[in-house]
Amino acid sequence: EDKVVQSPLSLVVHEGDTVTLNCSYEVTNFRSLLWYKQEKKAPTFLFMLTSSGIEKKSGRLSSILDKKELFSILNITATQTGDSAVYLCAVSSGGSNYKLTFGKGTLLTVNP
Amino acid sequence: NAGVTQTPKFQVLKTGQSMTLQCAQDMNHNSMYWYRQDPGMGLRLIYYSASEGTTDKGEVPNGYNVSRLNKREFSLRLESAAPSQTSVYFCASSVQGHSGNTIYFGEGSWLTVV
Repeated sequence: EDKVVQSPLSLVVHEGDTVTLNCSYEVTNFRSLLWYKQEKKAPTFLFMLTSSGIEKKSGRLSSILDKKELFSILNITATQTGDSAVYLCAVSSGGSNYKLTFGKGTLLTVNP
Repeated sequence: NAGVTQTPKFQVLKTGQSMTLQCAQDMNHNSMYWYRQDPGMGLRLIYYSASEGTTDKGEVPNGYNVSRLNKREFSLRLESAAPSQTSVYFCASSVQGHSGNTIYFGEGSWLTVV
C-alpha cells in the first residue's frame, strides 16, 4: 500500500524564522511528488517534483526531492503570517496516472 | 476563469436523506476526482474519472455514487446519508501527464449529516 508521511504534524514559529517541512514516501513506481498549500478552503498547487536534486523555487519557498532516500523537503525562509496554512504533500505513483496519495499535512502557524 | 466550481458550499442533511454534489471545470481537463477531508485523515479519494465515460473507485467509495455527465461535469451522490459522511468534500480536475498530475481543487463543500 502506498504511503506518504509528513512531519512535523504541526509547527509554530515567529515571523522571520525559516522552516523546513518533511515528506517521506513508500510507493510503487514513483512518478512525481507535489506540494500544496491549504488555507481555509481548497489546496493550491505549489510545486511538482520529478527529478532528484533539482531545486524548485518560488519566492521564499523552495523544495527538493531525493529519490534515493525517498523524501522531499519544503523550505520557507523569512516566514510571514500569511504563510500560516496546512502544507500537503502528495505522491503520484503506480500504473495509473490518475490519482495521488496524500499525506496528512503539516499545520504551520506563524506568529507576529 | 472559474477553474473548478462545486455546489453547494454548505449543506445539512438528516440521516437517510439523499443529495448530489455538483462539480464543473472549465479547464478542458480529462480527469476529475472527488475527495473527502476529515480532521487527522488528510485527503482521501472517493471516486475518480480518468476520462469522459469512465469512473473508478478510490480509497473510500462506500456509500457514494458518481456520474461523469460530460467532460466538464462530475457529480457525487449520497443515496442515504449517514453521520459518518459528515466531511468536507473537494472536487478536483487534472490534465493527464506522463510524470504525474497537477490537480486543481474546487473550493469545497461542507456537509453535515445529523
